Amino acid sequence: GENVEQHPSTLSVQEGDSAVIKCTYSDSASNYFPWYKQELGKRPQLIIDIRSNVGEKKDQRIAVTLNKTAKHFSLHITETQPEDSAVYFCAASRRNTPLVFGKGTRLSVIA
Amino acid sequence: NAGVTQTPKFQVLKTGQSMTLQCAQDMNHEYMSWYRQDPGMGLRLIHYSVGAGITDQGEVPNGYNVSRSTTEDFPLRLLSAAPSQTSVYFCASSRTGGSGANVLTFGAGSRLTVL
Repeated sequence: GENVEQHPSTLSVQEGDSAVIKCTYSDSASNYFPWYKQELGKRPQLIIDIRSNVGEKKDQRIAVTLNKTAKHFSLHITETQPEDSAVYFCAASRRNTPLVFGKGTRLSVIA
Repeated sequence: NAGVTQTPKFQVLKTGQSMTLQCAQDMNHEYMSWYRQDPGMGLRLIHYSVGAGITDQGEVPNGYNVSRSTTEDFPLRLLSAAPSQTSVYFCASSRTGGSGANVLTFGAGSRLTVL
């Protein structure tokens, strides 16, 4: 089955700097790659997703890139703000199979 | 719409006791799932269902049972609680299973402690 590795497990950045979180997946048939954000004590919520027919997707300060050949995808957050502090999870799935999540990255944005 | 509703929010059990975590959604989602979240372990899939009457095992199914008699409800049963089942449990649903349209909507979570 699918296996998703996520790095780093913790990340601290200064406010205004960029943050990058990377994930690799094992199943070459996976074609859907979402990112979820979980604030302290809250539920995970989708922030952006990408499908395998697209190489990059942006939504304001966040972007996701996908390299199908290398089987890795990354989350980029620019101009980080304190409210970006949270745990971020990547995930992957193929058609009609459940999402498999990475272990998460705890991002701290230092003001 | 209430979305995905989980009860209870908190529960303390003794080893060997049984209990049911309730999950209900009002979005007419076909796909429902249960994850557990442990520090440093991410979200691990326990069981899932692609429709009423259909359930399947995820990554960590041992010690848990599920059933899906209606589209709306997907209860998770702990048969004989063990300290290793101390965790935060999330129910999540989506319109369909798989990558077709599986934007997951999560419930607020249920924190379970087994003594």
